[in-house]
Amino acid sequence: GNSVTQMEGPVTLSEEAFLTINCTYTATGYPSLFWYVQYPGEGLQLLLKATKADDKGSNKGFEATYRKETTSFHLEKGSVQVSDSAVYFCALTPYFGNEKLTFGTGTRLTIIP
Amino acid sequence: DTGVSQNPRHKITKRGQNVTFRCDPISEHNRLYWYRQTLGQGPEFLTYFQNEAQLEKSRLLSDRFSAERPKGSFSTLEIQRTEQGDSAMYLCASSFQLNSQIWPNEQFFGPGTRLTVL
Repeated sequence: GNSVTQMEGPVTLSEEAFLTINCTYTATGYPSLFWYVQYPGEGLQLLLKATKADDKGSNKGFEATYRKETTSFHLEKGSVQVSDSAVYFCALTPYFGNEKLTFGTGTRLTIIP
Repeated sequence: DTGVSQNPRHKITKRGQNVTFRCDPISEHNRLYWYRQTLGQGPEFLTYFQNEAQLEKSRLLSDRFSAERPKGSFSTLEIQRTEQGDSAMYLCASSFQLNSQIWPNEQFFGPGTRLTVL
């Protein structure tokens, strides 16, 4: 079946630190990959996505590259801010036409000033 | 606000009672999804609709659960004879599929309904 494994949290970093949140996946076919973010008190929001191997998704200074050879989609940001504190979810949709999202367990990120 | 809305935001009920949640998607969106999220876990897919047709149901959706989208707009999720294990956040999402060649379409999530079964 399809699954997503995320780096366990919580993660606490100082402002301006470099962030990596690891994500690996298992899927049949050619999935699309996503990072969703949930800010305190808000609903899930799409942060970025990649639909094929070697694609790089980027948004708000965050980046993730679809690596088919390592089945990974790690989230990175060069310099985090306090406002980045949130829960981050890696997710996939398995194949063309199927938009059912499979999520990882989420990683809580806290940035301290 | 033209985002996805869900009501109620919180529901506390006693075991064995029936509950119903409502989701209002973004108005032009033709696809609607239900997910369930338990504490410390990511959301899990329950079911989805294309207009009024329910196209897929997860094995997680026991026969105590039923979802409808009668006019292809809002949707309801009913849980009959609630159990303590049903306590979770129930999330609704919607998306717009213009044509079958565009994939994937972004899903926009509502704030969720938190269910507590005592």
